[in-house]
Formats: sequence, C-alpha cells, structure tokens
Amino acid sequence: DQQVKQNSPSLSVQEGRISILNCDYTNSMFDYFLWYKKYPAEGPTFLISISSIKDKNEDGRFTVFLNKSAKHLSLHIVPSQPGDSAVYFCAASVYNQGGKLIFGQGTELSVKP
Amino acid sequence: DAGITQSPRHKVTETGTPVTLRCHQTENHRYMYWYRQDPGHGLRLIHYSYGVKDTDKGEVSDGYSVSRSKTEDFLLTLESATSSQTSVYFCAIQSNNEQFFGPGTRLTVL
Repeated sequence: DQQVKQNSPSLSVQEGRISILNCDYTNSMFDYFLWYKKYPAEGPTFLISISSIKDKNEDGRFTVFLNKSAKHLSLHIVPSQPGDSAVYFCAASVYNQGGKLIFGQGTELSVKP
Repeated sequence: DAGITQSPRHKVTETGTPVTLRCHQTENHRYMYWYRQDPGHGLRLIHYSYGVKDTDKGEVSDGYSVSRSKTEDFLLTLESATSSQTSVYFCAIQSNNEQFFGPGTRLTVL
C-alpha cells in the first residue's frame, strides 16, 4: 500500500518554462512534507519542505504547495534550467515518530535547452 | 554537506554471504537511518537509530540487522545476502526536521 504516490514517472520541460511535479498521499496523519532532488550516482539532496500548518513555502525558484483537503502537494520550479534535470522525490512524515520518511516513487525531470 | 560517508561505495557478493555496510557521520547527530532505493519504489526505510544502542525497524527490515555502538557509526548487516537485496543503500542523518543523505552503496548479490 503506497502511502505517498508520484504518478508521473517522467516530465519533460523546455528551459525557462515552469516545471510542476505532483505528489499525492493517503495518510492524513502526515504533517511534514519534503522534496528531494537526486542526480545519478549521488545521494538525494534536500530541496524544500513544508509543514501542514502552511499551504505554501518558497525558496528562490522553488515553491511547494500543499492542499490538505485533497492530500496533494506540488513542487513548482520557475524558471526551469537544464541543471534541474534530475529525479525528484516527495516524502512525508509524522511529527514525533522518529522522523521516519515515506517516499514517493520519484519523477524524472528533463529540462531541455 | 552533512559530513556523512558510506563504505564501501560498491560491493559485489554471492548469495548466502554476510555483508556489512558502514555509515559514518562527523556532526554528532542523534538520529540515523538506512534506506534502500529500488526502481519503482523510491526509497524505503530499513532500520533507524535514535541513539547509541537504540534502534528500531522500518518498513522493509526483514533480512537486515543494525548496530550503533558509537554516535558516529551506524552499521547495516545482511546476515545471509539474497539476490532480492541487490539495491542501492543510503544512510541519512536528521538535522532539525530534514534528513541529509550519504552518497550511497551499490550492492550486487549474485
């Protein structure tokens, strides 16, 4: 039973345009959400996070939106750059449960020049 | 850079042999984690530790054991490796509310 789902295995975007990566979850107890970026042969790198008390968090070109009623979060990258090409994972956790993360399957983003 | 190293970075072994992977951190973080990454599954938690000698199971702990005798080291052991344990293994530490990952160990079980 996949509690965190990324239904798009891949996404291709033109440089300079917006990339939107989506993530759905089923467990209403999740109260902290994170996005990670992963290049081949490297460990995942933390990108941005959001607490369930917020519906939006921004960091430079990256914005995460959380819709609790729909159990949906999205990562917006504007403008997209070729260096953003990587696999993106969303993850969720429950506060006070040892920080255990449940990950989605990942979406491979390709940004074309 | 969260000061996390993993060793070995690559290993090929045979079915039935024991294997130990090491995670080392330099910043005295209390929480440490072991994940495996497989196609179509993202990362899945194997075991985690919340202090020296304090460990607990994750969602895919069968066939794995862990030990943490020092704050800086978290060991993952496959007592008798199977082909289904061929994977990339990542160690992580927790800092504030985020986890930071090591570079990974690619394990192949033939």
